[in-house]
Amino acid sequence: DQQVKQNSPSLSVQEGRISILNCDYTNSMFDYFLWYKKYPAEGPTFLISISSIKDKNEDGRFTVFLNKSAKHLSLHIVPSQPGDSAVYFCAASENTDKLIFGTGTRLQVFP
Amino acid sequence: EPEVTQTPSHQVTQMGQEVILRCVPISNHLYFYWYRQILGQKVEFLVSFYNNEISEKSEIFDDQFSVERPDGSNFTLKIRSTKLEDSAMYFCASSDTGGIKPQHFGDGTRLSIL
Repeated sequence: DQQVKQNSPSLSVQEGRISILNCDYTNSMFDYFLWYKKYPAEGPTFLISISSIKDKNEDGRFTVFLNKSAKHLSLHIVPSQPGDSAVYFCAASENTDKLIFGTGTRLQVFP
Repeated sequence: EPEVTQTPSHQVTQMGQEVILRCVPISNHLYFYWYRQILGQKVEFLVSFYNNEISEKSEIFDDQFSVERPDGSNFTLKIRSTKLEDSAMYFCASSDTGGIKPQHFGDGTRLSIL
């Protein structure tokens, strides 16, 4: 099941700079997209979401962009902080409660 | 901030034994979910539960699995006869409504089948 793909397994960014995490999907029927952050030994923590009727949603340092024609979404974190170091998952759903997750991108923010 | 809590954090069980994983969802939430993550793989949906019945389940959720809300606060996942391949992190989640609403996850139970 490769409906949601995160092609970059890892990303390293300097503190204060922008982190951009990418996610691609194949199912054009997805109508809701989410980003989760996960620290080791913890569950996924909800960060931000976007419905398919929008192309941008912003919450503080986090902004999610949705490009439906390209079936692509991205998460921008600016400015990046060392505490943002974690694994980031994108997830999507198709008018159901079932979330389909990507494989995750490990973000490391260094001083 | 309200949390989803899961117990135990780690469960070790002999193959063929029954195991029950427990979850206390966020108190005003009405929709409940189980997901699992096998080591090195994606988080996978197992089942969703609303109004005391399963609303959706995946192919993974076969007859060996069952869910129950035995009282007003707990939500359980039972695996009747565990197999080696059931070893995984099991995450419980809840949301206050279904559909376009974020699901909030617990910290998981690591299930190890010997």
